[in-house]
Amino acid sequence: AQKITQTQPGMFVQEKEAVTLDCTYDTSDQSYGLFWYKQPSSGEMIFLIYQGSYDEQNATEGRYSLNFQKARKSANLVISASQLGDSAMYFCAMREGLPISNFGNEKLTFGTGTRLTIIP
Amino acid sequence: DSGVTQTPKHLITATGQRVTLRCSPRSGDLSVYWYQQSLDQGLQFLIQYYNGEERAKGNILERFSAQQFPDLHSELNLSSLELGDSALYFCASSGFSGGFTDTQYFGPGTRLTVL
Repeated sequence: AQKITQTQPGMFVQEKEAVTLDCTYDTSDQSYGLFWYKQPSSGEMIFLIYQGSYDEQNATEGRYSLNFQKARKSANLVISASQLGDSAMYFCAMREGLPISNFGNEKLTFGTGTRLTIIP
Repeated sequence: DSGVTQTPKHLITATGQRVTLRCSPRSGDLSVYWYQQSLDQGLQFLIQYYNGEERAKGNILERFSAQQFPDLHSELNLSSLELGDSALYFCASSGFSGGFTDTQYFGPGTRLTVL
């Protein structure tokens, strides 16, 4: 089974609108971390936001917020007031287990990504 | 700028050749990870080093090897290259800053083209 599922291969959104990118995950660990990365056409991977499995509040970073629903195993990225520069591929990723105390299991497992295009 | 550097940015070589990709982690980060991004396989974890020692292996071919040096920079060696090895290779680093995020910060990547 896929550990990270991103069901939207592509999305088109009008500039200044909010957009939600879906991510569901599958793990039997109680401790895990969820990450979102942005990959513009230039190719680099840019870290956006992190949510820990024990975090009680949804993570927010500027215009990015994470809608974390643990029981449903979903971690959707919400981008508010979208801008033309938000056009990129977006990847959801998971690290299973706790860092520091879980050496050797810190790899990230990535979804297949969602290509977001912002329309002016 | 993530603080992770990778060289070279682009590499074009022929089948059967050997190449070395280099990565310098963010200052203070002890962990280095290598990932491969290809059209058919997506983003896949290859290998992790922590403070010079191999910590975890993923889908890394036997033709590939890596190491982390005392100054913490890392090299990924790819040998007997095949057309299918053409991909974007990322290095990422993370450190223990006292929190539990342990976020991996990625370098700009090395785009390898095998002709």
